[in-house]
Amino acid sequence: DAKTTQPTSMDCAEGRAANLPCNHSTISGNEYVYWYRQIHSQGPQYIIHGLKNNETNEMASLIITEDRKSSTLILPHATLRDTAVYYCIVRVEFSNYGQNFVFGPGTRLSVLP
Amino acid sequence: KAGVTQTPRYLIKTRGQQVTLSCSPISGHRSVSWYQQTPGQGLQFLFEYFSETQRNKGNFPGRFSGRQFSNSRSEMNVSTLELGDSALYLCASSLSGGVYGYTFGSGTRLTVV
Repeated sequence: DAKTTQPTSMDCAEGRAANLPCNHSTISGNEYVYWYRQIHSQGPQYIIHGLKNNETNEMASLIITEDRKSSTLILPHATLRDTAVYYCIVRVEFSNYGQNFVFGPGTRLSVLP
Repeated sequence: KAGVTQTPRYLIKTRGQQVTLSCSPISGHRSVSWYQQTPGQGLQFLFEYFSETQRNKGNFPGRFSGRQFSNSRSEMNVSTLELGDSALYLCASSLSGGVYGYTFGSGTRLTVV
């Protein structure tokens, strides 16, 4: 089962920041928080990941609370092309025994004009 | 650089038949994972291969199998197809197991009639 909970859906106005929350209260010390998104009929796309420090890249920012039990993905200026299902996943960064991503239902973000 | 290539993009098969799907990872990537996506179950992990060895396996029946070749290309096979096998099958590759996330292909949409 997925170790994360996310809202089922959210709306955001075009040009505004989209803040997508994720709860992961049972996260282990060596587990990272990953975010992916899936635009209709395409494969999931990697967005960002982090352990405990806030992270930023050209796509988004990831804010992780100090206790690491929750995080927020921020899309600073949402566009219509950001309409997608966003998945929050916790997983160890690397394991010799192989690791898979356990996807939950995600959050369906609709960016409205 | 070229992304993850999955062939074919669409496939229609009859119940009881078998099917083979192909995945060519990004050049240099040695890990290949397969996922099944259905409207009811969402994204579910099938298996992961690294350097031609299956390193991790999801909870799917033995009708689902896979392999990886020395050039890291991977195939998955489903025998004795059932209607419930209709799904989008996604392949994802990474350098060594997802340190910087996986890159997904666009998937093969399999319809079993």
